[in-house]
Amino acid sequence: NAGVTQTPKFQVLKTGQSMTLQCAQDMNHNSMYWYRQDPGMGLRLIYYSASEGTTDKGEVPNGYNVSRLNKREFSLRLESAAPSQTSVYFCASRRGSTTEAFFGQGTRLTVV
Amino acid sequence: AQSVTQPDIHITVSEGASLELRCNYSYGATPYLFWYVQSPGQGLQLLLKYFSGDTLVQGIKGFEAEFKRSQSSFNLRKPSVHWSDAAEYFCAVAPGGLTGGGNKLTFGTGTQLKVEL
Repeated sequence: NAGVTQTPKFQVLKTGQSMTLQCAQDMNHNSMYWYRQDPGMGLRLIYYSASEGTTDKGEVPNGYNVSRLNKREFSLRLESAAPSQTSVYFCASRRGSTTEAFFGQGTRLTVV
Repeated sequence: AQSVTQPDIHITVSEGASLELRCNYSYGATPYLFWYVQSPGQGLQLLLKYFSGDTLVQGIKGFEAEFKRSQSSFNLRKPSVHWSDAAEYFCAVAPGGLTGGGNKLTFGTGTQLKVEL
């Protein structure tokens, strides 16, 4: 009963490097989300995908791209990492509008 | 655009005392509302949710919340706090009904709860 799985759990990048954060859910959910969590700022929505084949910007999309690869997987890409992207990243999924979101355990990313 | 305000960044209560965490939302139509809890180093766990019907909803761990449309609020309450309730609490809002709002789910900035023994 895996739920929402994020990889990796920890990552250190140098400024300018690129990387992709992976997220997969095994609950057959339609909607998936990427958030970043910073102290005192709560969870801010980066991108979301209401259903397979669609993606939309959230509150803080600059510097990120996403891919909804299929119904299960939703990846977040940092093309050129910056220290301001140091954060904890959470992936979440929901079956639909009348259900709650389920969260992964997070990816702690440090950009030096 | 939808938004959530949690006015209290930190709250400290004594074990056994009652608790109320405030949440105000901004959304033009019927909202769906949620409270989540996050223990240190962990992901988020759902405490309770409101979609429609009875405005007082019960959740896990003895928590409850009341939806007040006139005040745009969804405050979380617990009659008697336990030391294990120390955590960060997040309120969230999503478009409700058949609005086709794309399922955007927006969180507040959180309230850190400290419990004194």
